[in-house]
Amino acid sequence: DQQVKQNSPSLSVQEGRISILNCDYTNSMFDYFLWYKKYPAEGPTFLISISSIKDKNEDGRFTVFLNKSAKHLSLHIVPSQPGDSAVYFCAASSSTNTGNQFYFGTGTSLTVIP
Amino acid sequence: NAGVTQTPKFQVLKTGQSMTLQCAQDMNHEYMSWYRQDPGMGLRLIHYSVGAGITDQGEVPNGYNVSRSTTEDFPLRLLSAAPSQTSVYFCASSYSMAVRSYNSPLHFGNGTRLTVT
Repeated sequence: DQQVKQNSPSLSVQEGRISILNCDYTNSMFDYFLWYKKYPAEGPTFLISISSIKDKNEDGRFTVFLNKSAKHLSLHIVPSQPGDSAVYFCAASSSTNTGNQFYFGTGTSLTVIP
Repeated sequence: NAGVTQTPKFQVLKTGQSMTLQCAQDMNHEYMSWYRQDPGMGLRLIHYSVGAGITDQGEVPNGYNVSRSTTEDFPLRLLSAAPSQTSVYFCASSYSMAVRSYNSPLHFGNGTRLTVT
């Protein structure tokens, strides 16, 4: 059973516009959320994270929003650049979970069109 | 500082063969883990370790063994390869035993692409 879901397998955005990637989760115990970016033939690289005590975290062009009541988080990229074209994974974990596990979504492939 | 190093990059096995995927990190990370990535399935945890001498199972452990004799190394062994184990395997490490520490994300290697025929 997929506890973290990314329902959009792909997204295309024009350069300079905003990219919004979405992620939903089912486990209300999750309290730490991350976004990873993955280029072909490379491992995922950490992008940005947010804890459940916040509803927004910003790092340069990247902002993550968390809506705990809706069990939803999103990643905003503004402005989008061609180098942002990659697969984006969201991940979640619980501080009350003794399993030390991160649960990953299935990924969204972002294409930024020059 | 190499980060997380995985070898080999590519491997082809016949059904029933065994092999070991190597993973090493030079960041003195306590936590290490193995994931597999399959189309439409995201990243699924196979095994993990919170420190030398300690390992535990993740979501999809069947057919795989791990050991953690040193902080740096965390090899993944396929005991008898099956076509269902065709996948891309990623090793990841994190500084803290508490993986969910807010300042301790996972750092990934570049993966091993395994094909079992």
